[in-house]
Amino acid sequence: EAGVTQSPTHLIKTRGQQATLRCSPISGHTSVYWYQQALGLGLQFLLWYDEGEERNRGNFPPRFSGRQFPNYSSELNVNALELEDSALYLCASSLDWDRGNYGYTFGSGTRLTVV
Amino acid sequence: AQKVTQAQTEISVVEKEDVTLDCVYETRDTTYYLFWYKQPPSGELVFLIRRNSFDEQNEISGRYSWNFQKSTSSFNFTITASQVVDSAVYFCALPNYGGSQGNLIFGKGTKLSVKP
Repeated sequence: EAGVTQSPTHLIKTRGQQATLRCSPISGHTSVYWYQQALGLGLQFLLWYDEGEERNRGNFPPRFSGRQFPNYSSELNVNALELEDSALYLCASSLDWDRGNYGYTFGSGTRLTVV
Repeated sequence: AQKVTQAQTEISVVEKEDVTLDCVYETRDTTYYLFWYKQPPSGELVFLIRRNSFDEQNEISGRYSWNFQKSTSSFNFTITASQVVDSAVYFCALPNYGGSQGNLIFGKGTKLSVKP
């Protein structure tokens, strides 16, 4: 069974540009989660999508947005990039989020560097 | 408030030593799950264990063992006879308000370095 796949592995952008990160969940998983792991800031929750809908978002500005497609894959868009957006972006998927029994599976991440 | 604290930022041991990683949590939920993840240098978070709050039995899996104590809100992780391959950052995590918010709350992580 294929795991959670993320692309690209690395991405270098210039300040002010837009970045698009992609995530394919494990087959059958309907929930996708995005996390940002910036140096020194730990794992910060960004977005949660389930069945094509945004269910919750973390404390990030609106220039962080995304969507989930009918096949449950997801895209994270970061507009007007700032230097502090440089981080590892991790995607996770789960089959059952009810009652906190997540069984999250994470991808290997996209390393975004803003110069 | 929901919170996970991993007070040990970095630990360095020599191969074959035992090492315990501490995790203390705060939650208002009466039942909840707790998780441990491993993040090797490659970056991927690898799931290690999920425990339910009404099962306080300690769990052992090979060289790994977990000590869950609800009375002290702790969920500690012990690696016996550590190996160089155990070098990684380890995260303890708690679902946000029982899952209603969708996300896991992670501790800051403990970086474990196992030297040969």
